[in-house]
Amino acid sequence: NAGVTQTPKFQVLKTGQSMTLQCAQDMNHNSMYWYRQDPGMGLRLIYYSASEGTTDKGEVPNGYNVSRLNKREFSLRLESAAPSQTSVYFCASSDRTIYSNQPQHFGDGTRLSIL
Amino acid sequence: KQEVTQIPAALSVPEGENLVLNCSFTDSAIYNLQWFRQDPGKGLTSLLLIQSSQREQTSGRLNASLDKSSGRSTLYIAASQPGDSATYLCAVSYTGGFKTIFGAGTRLFVKA
Repeated sequence: NAGVTQTPKFQVLKTGQSMTLQCAQDMNHNSMYWYRQDPGMGLRLIYYSASEGTTDKGEVPNGYNVSRLNKREFSLRLESAAPSQTSVYFCASSDRTIYSNQPQHFGDGTRLSIL
Repeated sequence: KQEVTQIPAALSVPEGENLVLNCSFTDSAIYNLQWFRQDPGKGLTSLLLIQSSQREQTSGRLNASLDKSSGRSTLYIAASQPGDSATYLCAVSYTGGFKTIFGAGTRLFVKA
């Protein structure tokens, strides 16, 4: 009963390096989300995917790209990492349509430090 | 600008006390409101979801209320226990439910 799985759990990068954060859910949810959590600021939505094949910008999309690879997987890519992107990144999923109103399920997060 | 504010930022209570956590939001055209629990180093666990048309939801010792007209929600925890110690986050969803704004959270410590 895995729920939402994120990899890696921890990562240290140098400024300018690129990397992809992976997220997979096994609940057959149609919607998936990427958030970042910074101290004292709560979670902020980076991108979301309402359904397979669609992605949309959230509150803080600059510096990130996403791919909804299939219904299960939603990846977040940092093309050229900057120290301001040091954060904890959370992936979430939900069974969300205009007719369905279900809570989001979260992974345990990826702790990313950029030097 | 759509904002969600949680007060207090931190709270320490003795075991057995009933307590209320507060959440306020600036845009009342919400789709739903959720309360989450976050343990240190972990992800978020959904506690209660209140749809826009509802006034409250209950689960065990937890009761959440919603007053859209005043832009407020409260999470009531009855008979608090040390295991309730965690950070509690309020999240408001807009625009068909996909755009979610989180508060910064209330860090709760229940003393045995």
